Amino acid sequence: ELKVEQNPLFLSMQEGKNYTIYCNYSTTSDRLYWYRQDPGKSLESLFVLLSNGAVKQEGRLMASLDTKARLSTLHITAAVHDLSATYFCAVDHRSGTYKYIFGTGTRLKVLA
Amino acid sequence: SAVISQKPSRDICQRGTSLTIQCQVDSQVTMMFWYRQQPGQSLTLIATANQGSEATYESGFVIDKFPISRPNLTFSTLTVSNMSPEDSSIYLCSVSRSNEQFFGPGTRLTVL
Repeated sequence: ELKVEQNPLFLSMQEGKNYTIYCNYSTTSDRLYWYRQDPGKSLESLFVLLSNGAVKQEGRLMASLDTKARLSTLHITAAVHDLSATYFCAVDHRSGTYKYIFGTGTRLKVLA
Repeated sequence: SAVISQKPSRDICQRGTSLTIQCQVDSQVTMMFWYRQQPGQSLTLIATANQGSEATYESGFVIDKFPISRPNLTFSTLTVSNMSPEDSSIYLCSVSRSNEQFFGPGTRLTVL
């Protein structure tokens, strides 16, 4: 069974602190996506990681991909309240139908 | 990127009835996807809709319950049939383009 697991599921952190969200997946894939979802909203694309060793940064967020370990990380630097949201990773499982499998999600709350 | 619209944005329906959700994309795409997101949960792929062929359903989803149409390369519909309160969810359509997946704003369905 294809699985994409994130941890932690819930994260409450103080402003200014650093933290990492982990995304482990069980299928062979060289593409991984990170999304942000605000309450009541749709998904916003954050990062597209297309190969082993890929690293992308945008503002206080940095994502990386290790396809050999089947692991991606989303690192938060000096968190601010505006980063409070739910973050999802998703894996592109190329089974012929471009099936995207989403992780369980990490609900982040940054406390002022 | 892709601009995706969905109709309706939300609806409250009685059990036993059916609702058709429309998804319109700003330009032609080969594959469109329909997801369900139950309250507080991650996204689950319902089916993949290709123009000119039958939709491909994921395990646990059947055509009689979730019939899908894909009449052209910019439009798709998902019908939720014979609804029960367990169908209360957000339904999202998405498209894949240039190694990214883009999501519509979602349809929030409440079944009483």
